Amino acid sequence: KQEVTQIPAALSVPEGENLVLNCSFTDSAIYNLQWFRQDPGKGLTSLLLIQSSQREQTSGRLNASLDKSSGRSTLYIAASQPGDSATYLCAVRNYGQNFVFGPGTRLSVLP
Amino acid sequence: EAGVAQSPRYKIIEKRQSVAFWCNPISGHATLYWYQQILGQGPKLLIQFQNNGVVDDSQLPKDRFSAERLKGVDSTLKIQPAKLEDSAVYLCASSFEGARNQPQHFGDGTRLSIL
Repeated sequence: KQEVTQIPAALSVPEGENLVLNCSFTDSAIYNLQWFRQDPGKGLTSLLLIQSSQREQTSGRLNASLDKSSGRSTLYIAASQPGDSATYLCAVRNYGQNFVFGPGTRLSVLP
Repeated sequence: EAGVAQSPRYKIIEKRQSVAFWCNPISGHATLYWYQQILGQGPKLLIQFQNNGVVDDSQLPKDRFSAERLKGVDSTLKIQPAKLEDSAVYLCASSFEGARNQPQHFGDGTRLSIL
């Protein structure tokens, strides 16, 4: 059974700092991995989707990497802004299965 | 394009009462998902529809939860009777044709509080 963890549970950084969020999963035979952002009282917004054959995906200031062999993905946010404050969740999909979500990392970017 | 629509946004009921949630997916999206998100946790899949057929309901507590998608578009999720542990946000998501490499698009959810 796939299990997904995210460390740290919460993170507070000053504006302008580069930061890394971590996602670990127990079953490396994944189909794809998706990073989401969730603002308070809102649904999830898809940020990046990485297929199992890819090692990274980039969108603007965001870069997500995938290392299946070690069961890890990282989300890199460059030059953080207060508007980046939200909860970031990763979700892992194995072949023939649906997404399993991590508990999320709550990010606060201080002005 | 319009996003996934859910209603109501909030619902407060007493335990043992019944409640229903409604979801309208993005136009053209054949696959619809219902998730339960308990405070501080990631969403947990309850049920997945492909058009109006159930693909995965392995984590749906079928003694009290039911869901339908009669015409392959809108969907309703019902809880009867509700328990205290059902307090959560219920999220609906949709994706194009259920392809595994397509991202899911989420609604803003219904926040359910059980007294």
